[in-house]
Amino acid sequence: AQSVSQHNHHVILSEAASLELGCNYSYGGTVNLFWYVQYPGQHLQLLLKYFSGDPLVKGIKGFEAEFIKSKFSFNLRKPSVQWSDTAEYFCAVNPLGGYQKVTFGTGTKLQVIP
Amino acid sequence: SQTIHQWPATLVQPVGSPLSLECTVEGTSNPNLYWYRQAAGRGLQLLFYSVGIGQISSEVPQNLSASRPQDRQFILSSKKLLLSDSGFYLCAVGGAGTQYFGPGTRLLVL
Repeated sequence: AQSVSQHNHHVILSEAASLELGCNYSYGGTVNLFWYVQYPGQHLQLLLKYFSGDPLVKGIKGFEAEFIKSKFSFNLRKPSVQWSDTAEYFCAVNPLGGYQKVTFGTGTKLQVIP
Repeated sequence: SQTIHQWPATLVQPVGSPLSLECTVEGTSNPNLYWYRQAAGRGLQLLFYSVGIGQISSEVPQNLSASRPQDRQFILSSKKLLLSDSGFYLCAVGGAGTQYFGPGTRLLVL
């Protein structure tokens, strides 16, 4: 069975700082990869996804993530965070084929200080 | 686009009482449906998923159960709640791996 590890549980940054949140997964086959975000008081929503092709994917609000197959990683980045990026971020993996099961990481809480 | 409704939004229940949480979906047919529990520091834990009416797969053995009596209705139940059942329960619709989440139900078991 697949698993997802997010090593940073709580990150505090000042506005304009750069962000990188780590995500590693374990699964031997081909996967789809996702980052979801939950802003305070809002639904969990998709931030970006990787299915195939260019391993550098861009999402909403200036976020991007890079899939490095050899490292089983899908780290989330943003060059300059804003206070409005304060949220909880979840990495997720879905193996190709089989049933539609998505496994989520434990999440990273990001707090951006103005 | 699809809309996911969950109710109630908040629920406080005593230990040992029954539970019924409902999720309904609009704007799509024959969806894959999921129940997740979000607990502090534990991320999203997949509890059940369903690919069709009456078809339920359980991911975690526990005192919870799920049913899908209609195409766009997914119910999470328990006969006797435990303290450890407290958490935030999310219903989701899935397609090609991408999940769309409802507003959630916050359950507190006392």
